[in-house]
Amino acid sequence: ETGVTQSPTHLIKTRGQQVTLRCSSQSGHNTVSWYQQALGQGPQFIFQYYREEENGRGNFPPRFSGLQFPNYSSELNVNALELDDSALYLCASSFGRETYEQYFGPGTRLTVT
Amino acid sequence: GQQLNQSPQSMFIQEGEDVSMNCTSSSIFNTWLWYKQDPGEGPVLLIALYKAGELTSNGRLTAQFGITRKDSFLNISASIPSDVGIYFCAGQVHAGGTSYGKLTFGQGTILTVHP
Repeated sequence: ETGVTQSPTHLIKTRGQQVTLRCSSQSGHNTVSWYQQALGQGPQFIFQYYREEENGRGNFPPRFSGLQFPNYSSELNVNALELDDSALYLCASSFGRETYEQYFGPGTRLTVT
Repeated sequence: GQQLNQSPQSMFIQEGEDVSMNCTSSSIFNTWLWYKQDPGEGPVLLIALYKAGELTSNGRLTAQFGITRKDSFLNISASIPSDVGIYFCAGQVHAGGTSYGKLTFGQGTILTVHP
């Protein structure tokens, strides 16, 4: 069984640029959730995708957007990067729309300068 | 919005000691989960709780879903050096709408185990 994978591992971007992060869900899972984890904090929910549609969204601005593909992999896109976007971005996969047990990938460390 | 208060913020213990940490909320959750995160890695699910009053074990770990549904507790017995890490509680409300999939996390408890 393959776990959740994310790419890239690390990324450095400049303020104002755009970034795309990628996630492959665990085999058998059809739901992907994205979280932002600032240093020293718990993860904050960004949004969730189920069957290629946004299924729930946290308190993040529209410049945070996502996609889910037919193979259930997912992308997180962030436009107009700000310094405060520097964080660890975590992807979690699960099965079903009402997802309780979520399994996390290793994350992508984004640094905005 | 929903807030989870996790305590203690950090713990320094000797190998072999038992550990207790807890999580409280001002609002009700329908599911409680406990995760462990090692530096540079994603959180790993330890225990999931679904019913008020439920007590669940996973090896040396035991967690409880509080009767009021506003709190949860995690105990680690006979700690070992590999227990070192950050422990997070997370709650979920089964309300649907924009709440689908949302886990609300606590701030974490940093555990250090001295050999």
